[in-house]
This record gives sequence, structure tokens and C-alpha cells, in this order.
Amino acid sequence: DGGITQSPKYLFRKEGQNVTLSCEQNLNHDAMYWYRQDPGQGLRLIYYSQIVNDFQKGDIAEGYSVSREKKESFPLTVTSAQKNPTAFYLCASKGTVSSRREKLFFGSGTQLSVL
Amino acid sequence: DAKTTQPPSMDCAEGRAANLPCNHSTISGNEYVYWYRQIHSQGPQYIIHGLKNNETNEMASLIITEDRKSSTLILPHATLRDTAVYYCSPNAGGTSYGKLTFGQGTILTVHP
Repeated sequence: DGGITQSPKYLFRKEGQNVTLSCEQNLNHDAMYWYRQDPGQGLRLIYYSQIVNDFQKGDIAEGYSVSREKKESFPLTVTSAQKNPTAFYLCASKGTVSSRREKLFFGSGTQLSVL
Repeated sequence: DAKTTQPPSMDCAEGRAANLPCNHSTISGNEYVYWYRQIHSQGPQYIIHGLKNNETNEMASLIITEDRKSSTLILPHATLRDTAVYYCSPNAGGTSYGKLTFGQGTILTVHP
């Protein structure tokens, strides 16, 4: 089955440490997105990529970095510069076909906590 | 970016229709209105989308006002499993993949 996979489901970060969240999709989608969700809050856009080797900052990019070396993969690194990284992180992808059925597909999320 | 406004929370009795409103007064002419829902600690799931005509699928109905400044998601016979956060999101349709943002969403609680 095609889908989008995030790993790990739970991740712990020590002070001053960089951690990387994985996002892989086998839907052959060009566009991929990273969102952050805090308790009781909506989804805030961190970074997005419309094509391989290209990405743009979202609304809250500070303290995060991404890469898009392969179409299938869009890893997110939470750097030590992100002072409040505890949150639920969601990855999503969107199809390339010009179709009325276009929509975002979300992964199941990664909960990041600071030790 | 089109901005959205949704009520923070709503209640609905099981078996009754749930009508969730969304204001998107700055929506552009080519932006579709998408609705997603998120059950606790899971990724959001697509429900329905539309451009200017009303839409219906197996999950819900979508009513879009003629001026496209607001829409209503209708769950015709709400069940306890419909308790979730519902997000309304204007997005560019077709092959445009720009910045896709969400509002705060509406927490729908369906009670027995």
C-alpha cells in the first residue's frame, strides 16, 4: 500500500543536541511538508518542498533544517537553536497529478520531548 | 495566504447533524476549500474539498456560499467516532504546491 511513514514515533532530545525526524513516502508525490503541533493548538508550517533539491521556509522555520535529496524523503532536523522543541511533528505529502482528488496525505507523527 | 476562522469548539448529540462553519473571506479565486479531521495523536485525514459547488461524499457534505467567503462541513448523522478536531484549509488546486497552512481548527465533541 502507498503511504507516508514517519519515524520514530517517540523521540527524546538532550539539551544542546540535534535530532533528525524521518519522513518517507512511496506515493510518488513531488510536494512534502513539515508541521508542528503543540497541545491544544493547530498545525503550524515549518518547511515545505515542492520538488527535489528545493525547499522553502514556512511560518516557524527558525531552529529547524531540512533536506530534499530524494523525492521519497524529507528529513527534518531539530537543531540546538530550537529552544522549545517539545511538540508533535507531522509530515505530509501532496500529489502531482492534476486531479480533483488531490489532497494532503499525513504521516502518523513523531512526538519529540526534551530530557 | 488565505486566512481561516473557525469556532474553537462545538458539541453535537449522537445521531444528529453536526454543522461546522469556516470563514475564509480572503480566499483566492483558484483556491479550493479543504477539510481534514484529526483524531487525538494521529495525523489528520482528508474529508472533502470543493471550489464553488456543493460537494458530497461518503463521509460528509460541504456547502460553500456563493461569494466563497465561508463554508460549512456537515456530518449528517454524527457518531461518537466523529469526535475530533476539524480543520478548514483553503489550498491552491491543480498543480500548484505552495504554502499550505491550517487554522486553529474546531474541536467537535459528539456526546451520547
